[in-house]
Amino acid sequence: EVQLVESGGGLVQPGGSLRLSCAASGFTFSNYAMSWVRQAPGKGLQWVSAITESGGRTFYADSVKGRFTISRDISKNTLYLQMNSLTAGDTALYYCAKPLDSAQWLVFDYWGQGTLVTVSS
Amino acid sequence: DIVMTQSPDSLAVSLGERATINCKSSQSLLYSSNNKNYLAWYQQKPGQPPKLLIYWASTRESGVPDRFSGSGSGTDFTLTISSLQAEDVAVYYCQQYYDPPCPFGQGTRLEI
Repeated sequence: EVQLVESGGGLVQPGGSLRLSCAASGFTFSNYAMSWVRQAPGKGLQWVSAITESGGRTFYADSVKGRFTISRDISKNTLYLQMNSLTAGDTALYYCAKPLDSAQWLVFDYWGQGTLVTVSS
Repeated sequence: DIVMTQSPDSLAVSLGERATINCKSSQSLLYSSNNKNYLAWYQQKPGQPPKLLIYWASTRESGVPDRFSGSGSGTDFTLTISSLQAEDVAVYYCQQYYDPPCPFGQGTRLEI
């Protein structure tokens, strides 16, 4: 059974940093690109970042480019999102998402339950 | 960047009736290399992560009831629920996925 378990969220002050983790199991983690998608309270879905299977290529939404860094540790089956220079606009539930397959690497068939990031003073 | 726009923002449909949600892309999602539309539909119920319903604009994900169908090509797409059930109350999102960024539509809230 595929499982994605996010952690690392919490309350942080504006300008602060957090590192989110997503522990993956039930599939061959190294065979799939992975993404982070966020959802602000009461709002819609926003794709944030993606990383290729090997970790050699990364992609970011314009709103987080230069502030967020996605990475993965194949040996630990874990996806990360390092978030710096956080603002109130980054307040959201952050989901880790697995794609259908390598051809459709930005279509997500499994999602975690999310970890909540709140940026507030 | 591609912009995805859904209509309507909210929709009330009676049980057993048809529900139709539209999604318009600012650029064509039909790619000549494989003649496929890079458009997906998701369902999100309160307190839950999204669930994939449809990909390639019209291919139903495994386990999704056949009352859900997707259609359209290029820039205009539709999600149809042929006979609304109580458990279909949710917010529905379209998403383009050819290349990052892969934006979602703003969502359509479906109510009974």
